[in-house]
Amino acid sequence: DAGITQSPRHKVTETGTPVTLRCHQTENHRYMYWYRQDPGHGLRLIHYSYGVKDTDKGEVSDGYSVSRSKTEDFLLTLESATSSQTSVYFCAISDRDNNNEQFFGPGTRLTVL
Amino acid sequence: AQSVTQLDSHVSVSEGTPVLLRCNYSSSYSPSLFWYVQHPNKGLQLLLKYTSAATLVKGINGFEAEFKKSETSFHLTKPSAHMSDAAEYFCVVSDDSSASKIIFGSGTRLSIRP
Repeated sequence: DAGITQSPRHKVTETGTPVTLRCHQTENHRYMYWYRQDPGHGLRLIHYSYGVKDTDKGEVSDGYSVSRSKTEDFLLTLESATSSQTSVYFCAISDRDNNNEQFFGPGTRLTVL
Repeated sequence: AQSVTQLDSHVSVSEGTPVLLRCNYSSSYSPSLFWYVQHPNKGLQLLLKYTSAATLVKGINGFEAEFKKSETSFHLTKPSAHMSDAAEYFCVVSDDSSASKIIFGSGTRLSIRP
């Protein structure tokens, strides 16, 4: 398995609180992604990174920010969590030399009450 | 613009019978196409990928898919279903010109009847 971990694996929080999810890789891949998974929607891209300090928005970026200060870590922050952000969040990594084939972390289940 | 449509949200087959999960795509470029599998409460795992080499692609666990450009399809098949195949399957289209142009289908849940 590709070396990708996510923390925490489960979190329950209240509306209006800040939340940070962490993705850590040991593969030294350049590209890292954050997705959310909701029933009937597949996976939707929130933000992605193409290098240290280089990030860009995805399809559903509103309400989320990211940071990448090291190759191995990609943080997703919900500045003020809302109930609509209740979801399962997946981190993925890829090596663009391999046709965008991605490797996924185990996911973080976030519940916003 | 790219898009991907998985034609069935749920497929149910009996153990030992063939599996067919359907995927149609739209892409302005020569795409890369993938099938991923997700078992309950797990991350996604690559089953197979098409990257403009052979049009019939073999993957893990006996799955295969055929790229048909004329039909813009990339259907996933397996000759004989096993109980362990019960999972969610995602068809993905990727434009190699951009790291962000990776589009997921909405998924097909495969159930296996004993």
